[in-house]
Order: sequence, then C-alpha cells, then structure tokens
Amino acid sequence: AQSVTQLGSHVSVSEGALVLLRCNYSSSVPPYLFWYVQYPNQGLQLLLKYTSAATLVKGINGFEAEFKKSETSFHLTKPSAHMSDAAEYFCAVSDPGSNYQLIWGAGTKLIIKP
Amino acid sequence: DTAVSQTPKYLVTQMGNDKSIKCEQNLGHDTMYWYKQDSKKFLKIMFSYNNKELIINETVPNRFSPKSPDKAHLNLHINSLELGDSAVYFCASSPTLSYNEQFFGPGTRLTVL
Repeated sequence: AQSVTQLGSHVSVSEGALVLLRCNYSSSVPPYLFWYVQYPNQGLQLLLKYTSAATLVKGINGFEAEFKKSETSFHLTKPSAHMSDAAEYFCAVSDPGSNYQLIWGAGTKLIIKP
Repeated sequence: DTAVSQTPKYLVTQMGNDKSIKCEQNLGHDTMYWYKQDSKKFLKIMFSYNNKELIINETVPNRFSPKSPDKAHLNLHINSLELGDSAVYFCASSPTLSYNEQFFGPGTRLTVL
C-alpha cells in the first residue's frame, strides 16, 4: 500500500527565510504527487502537482517542489517566507490501485516568525 | 461563483441526533468525495462517488450514509451522532475519477455535545 510521510508536524521559519517542507512517499508505480495548503478555517487548495513531466514543479504563491525518484521525495520549498504563508501543508500521492484515491500525509504546520 | 459549497458551515448538536450536511459543485465534475479531518488535522477519506455510483467506501460506521441525487450533489447523513463524530467534514470534487486533482469545499465543523 502506498504511504506518505511528512517530516515535522511543525516547521518554524523567520519571515524572509527559506521554507523547506519534507515529503517522502512509498509507491510501487510512478506516482502522481501533490501539495495542498490549508489556511486557517478554510478548505484545502492545490499548491502544485507532479504528473511525470518536469521533475521541478512550480506552483502558486512562489512555491516549488522537486520530484526525486532515487530518494522517493517530493519536498516543498519557497525561497523567502511571507507571513501570509502561515498555514497547514499536506503532501499526497495518488493510488491508481485504489481508484486513484489520494493518500495523505499527516500535514505540516508552517509557522512564520516576524 | 463558489465551485464547491457545503451547508451548513457550523453544526452543533446533541449526541443521538441525526443530521445532514449538503454539498454541491458547479464545476461539472463527475467525481465527488467526503473527507473527515480530526482535531490533529489528519485527513481521512470516507466516500467517493463517480457519476452517482459509490466507488470508495472506507471503514466508516454505517451510521454515515452518503446520498448522491445527481452528479452535482453529494450529501452526508449521519444517524445517532456520537462525541467522536466531532470533526471538520470536507466535500471535494474532481473532473473524473482518474484526474487526481481535487477541489475542496470550505468544510463543515460538526460539534457533538
């Protein structure tokens, strides 16, 4: 069965600093991978997705993620954090063997320090 | 303009009651989902429907019953509510079952007293 691991339930960075949120997956087939963001008291919004095209994927709000097959990773980065980036971030992998169900990581709360 | 809408946004009720949450999408999508998000933000798929047909039915108490009157609607009815049902419930949709990207509603916060 596929699984997703997000390292760090909380990540705290200073405003203007690099954001790095880690995601590792297990998949027996080439995966489709996603990052979603959830702002307080809102639903989830797609940040970016990898669907076997370019390994470096650019998303909204200046975020990007790199698919590394050898490391089974899909880490999310942003060069300079803004206060408005404070939110919960979820990594997910699509499982074709289970009707394309999204398998979700546990989420990482990003805290931005002024 | 709302793509995926849910009503109500907040629902406070007593144990043992029966309640429903409604979901509508105006995106023309074929597939709809219900998720439960617990207090630790963990997301759990409950159900998915494709063209009104039940596709995914995870291990969920049979007190929870989804109903899809048409492709644009997927409602969730919960019987005999329990304290452990308190959570945020999200509806989502995607163009097709295999499209992968899902579009989420704003959530319904259910509190069972």
